[in-house]
Amino acid sequence: DGGITQSPKYLFRKEGQNVTLSCEQNLNHDAMYWYRQDPGQGLRLIYYSQIVNDFQKGDIAEGYSVSREKKESFPLTVTSAQKNPTAFYLCASKPDPVGYGYTFGSGTRLTVV
Amino acid sequence: DQQVKQNSPSLSVQEGRISILNCDYTNSMFDYFLWYKKYPAEGPTFLISISSIKDKNEDGRFTVFLNKSAKHLSLHIVPSQPGDSAVYFCAASAGPSFGNEKLTFGTGTRLTIIP
Repeated sequence: DGGITQSPKYLFRKEGQNVTLSCEQNLNHDAMYWYRQDPGQGLRLIYYSQIVNDFQKGDIAEGYSVSREKKESFPLTVTSAQKNPTAFYLCASKPDPVGYGYTFGSGTRLTVV
Repeated sequence: DQQVKQNSPSLSVQEGRISILNCDYTNSMFDYFLWYKKYPAEGPTFLISISSIKDKNEDGRFTVFLNKSAKHLSLHIVPSQPGDSAVYFCAASAGPSFGNEKLTFGTGTRLTIIP
């Protein structure tokens, strides 16, 4: 059963700490994405990767970092430089960079305490 | 700079009636549009899409209309059912020369179907 797995579903972080959100897909998709959802602001693109070992900044990349060492995995690190990290984070993938059909994971809710 | 706008944050519709969700865009390079449906604490799921070469696409109870000159699209759901209660996101993508590797999403409309 192919899909995207995001873990954990809920995550709490103390201020000043870095935290890494996991995203794994077994769909053999080339492109992967990280979005952030805030109330009233829709989905905003943080980072995306079209191929292994390559990634690009999205619209709100400041305070975040990513890696793409394997095709299946695209972890997102929320660093202490991110001023307002509390949000719902969504990972997505699609078969190739030029196609349109995203598959989304079920999301991780990060809360800074 | 919100390139895709959904001006109605919420919409309530009686069960069995038609739900109409609207979306406006500003980027004339957008040539492909999608609607996603999202339940709380879940990822969005694809609903229906339309290419700019068409003005209508239908899939069961869902129809998307595109008015390129007005830079406006709408999603019609008829008849509306309680399970349709969710947040609906409009999304757009530009052509291959203009960065079609990513989608730009609207802010979403929360649809509530009243039994």
